[in-house]
Parts: sequence; structure tokens; C-alpha cells
Amino acid sequence: AAGVIQSPRHLIKEKRETATLKCYPIPRHDTVYWYQQGPGQDPQFLISFYEKMQSDKGSIPDRFSAQQFSDYHSELNMSSLELGDSALYFCASSGDTLYSYNEQFFGPGTRLTVL
Amino acid sequence: AQSVTQPDIHITVSEGASLELRCNYSYGATPYLFWYVQSPGQGLQLLLKYFSGDTLVQGIKGFEAEFKRSQSSFNLRKPSVHWSDAAEYFCAVGRSSRDMRFGAGTRLTVKP
Repeated sequence: AAGVIQSPRHLIKEKRETATLKCYPIPRHDTVYWYQQGPGQDPQFLISFYEKMQSDKGSIPDRFSAQQFSDYHSELNMSSLELGDSALYFCASSGDTLYSYNEQFFGPGTRLTVL
Repeated sequence: AQSVTQPDIHITVSEGASLELRCNYSYGATPYLFWYVQSPGQGLQLLLKYFSGDTLVQGIKGFEAEFKRSQSSFNLRKPSVHWSDAAEYFCAVGRSSRDMRFGAGTRLTVKP
């Protein structure tokens, strides 16, 4: 079965650079979620989109922005990168059906390293 | 405020032994409850979930979990652990993405 695809899988950037992470949800899933997982930390919810509109917002820094496109893929844009942004960034998707409410399917993550 | 506590940061069990990973939560209403497994460098895989109904939930890979409302717990169990079960396990609670909370995780090591 198709899964959530994230690209790139690994990314190395310098401080103050920008980065763009991409997420391709499972086909027919209309909701995308972004999480940040620091080293040894639990995943922290950043932001989510439903039908191309922002649906929920968590602890996303102002330096970050995200959007969902007409084909439902999503991009997380990160500017003025800081060392503390080094983390594993997960994307998850869900389809809003009665029996899978809030069940999120996670991608493999993008590991961002800021030097 | 909602929160999730996984009291055990690291657990080591022998292959073939039984396993129980603890999860306690604080939530204003009956939450949706989840257990995820994460292998190194990989994404989170859903093991099982509880929404309502039977409080004993069966999941994939031989895992099960029991929701105990009186104890605010949702412990994960497996009768016989396999070496491939070594991973990080996260308990999560919530009814929406905004209030989804993950526990800090429990790292499982399996001894031969």
C-alpha cells in the first residue's frame, strides 16, 4: 500500500540558511500534519492542513511556514535556521472517515542537521 | 491540560519474555489513545488505537493494550517478545491534532 512520502530524507544546512521539506500524503488523504522530533524527544506537533487550509497550529516558530497545495502535498519552509532546528521532521496524513478519525499515518521523516 | 506519562525511559527484556509498557494520561474527557513504534531513523508506525468499546485492543505484531479508565492507563503488552521488537514506543492521546500529546517514549532493548 502507498505510504506517506517525505523528501529529502536527509538535509544538511548552515545556520541562517533556509530549507524546504516536502510531504506527499497517502492518496485520497486530505489532511497533512507536521511534527518536529528533537534528539531523544517525543514528537511535537507543528501545524496541520485540511483541504489546503490550515486547520491547527501547534508550536511552530514564526520562522517556519507551511502550505498544502492543490494536489494535497505539503511543504514546510524553514528560514533563518538555527542549531536548535536540527531534528527529525515527520509528516503524517489522514483521511477523515468514521473509522479512521484522527488516525495519522506517518512518513519516514526528514532528518535536518543545521551546522 | 492533557499530558501523557511513560514512566519507563528504557526497558530491557529477554527474547521470549513477556512485555508491558506503561502509559498514564491526563485528559478532560475520554481520549482517543494510541501506541506507536519507531525503529531507528524511521517514522512512527501505529500499533493499535482505542476510540471506544471493548477496552482490550488488539494491534499488529502481536501487541495488545488495555484501557483502564479508573487508572487513566493504557498499557501495552506482548506475551512473547521477539528481537525485532527492539525499538522506541510512544503512547499518544488526543481527539484532534492540536491536542494530540505524545509521551516521552520507552526504549525497548531485547536481549538474546
